Amino acid sequence: GIQVEQSPPDLILQEGANSTLRCNFSDSVNNLQWFHQNPWGQLINLFYIPSGTKQNGRLSATTVATERYSLLYISSSQTTDSGVYFCAVAYNKLIFGAGTRLAVHP
Amino acid sequence: GAVVSQHPSRVICKSGTSVKIECRSLDFQATTMFWYRQFPKQSLMLMATSNEGSKATYEQGVEKDKFLINHASLTLSTLTVTSAHPEDSSFYICSARDPGQGTNEQYFGPGTRLTVT
Repeated sequence: GIQVEQSPPDLILQEGANSTLRCNFSDSVNNLQWFHQNPWGQLINLFYIPSGTKQNGRLSATTVATERYSLLYISSSQTTDSGVYFCAVAYNKLIFGAGTRLAVHP
Repeated sequence: GAVVSQHPSRVICKSGTSVKIECRSLDFQATTMFWYRQFPKQSLMLMATSNEGSKATYEQGVEKDKFLINHASLTLSTLTVTSAHPEDSSFYICSARDPGQGTNEQYFGPGTRLTVT
């Protein structure tokens, strides 16, 4: 099956800093999503991005499908950005990476 | 975006009893829903795919007799954990695709935290 690797596994930032999270996947996909899991466990859809680039406020994402990776950019980080960020990919079934645990300190 | 709800949000039950978790698509009809399980500090693992009007498809290693899935309508799928044991304690999350959006994007419910004592 498809393998999904996320890096880094853990990230600590000062408020206001920028960061890049990476997702590598092992096969062709027709779905790639980025999620933020909040402290209560809810998965928040950030981007549906099987290819191309999208931006939403301080967040943006780029997927290069031919090279099998996706990047999530967080600019001017805030304490509310803390939590776990998951990349998930699918051809038929959505497979999750292990996540990046982000802590933003004031 | 599409909204998926789950009920209950948390449940505590005694070992040996059964627990039913509901997953509803609130503003769209979903012919397919998905059930995931997440243990503490771990990622989400797909348990099964629930198909309206037909049998669910279970992932390898998931006991279909223990985790009963019923998808009786286009807006409701249920997961019943039968004869629950402490090792079944976990966070259960469902998801669905909104066919009206024309994409494969999945939307997730808020999850159900199950504790078996």
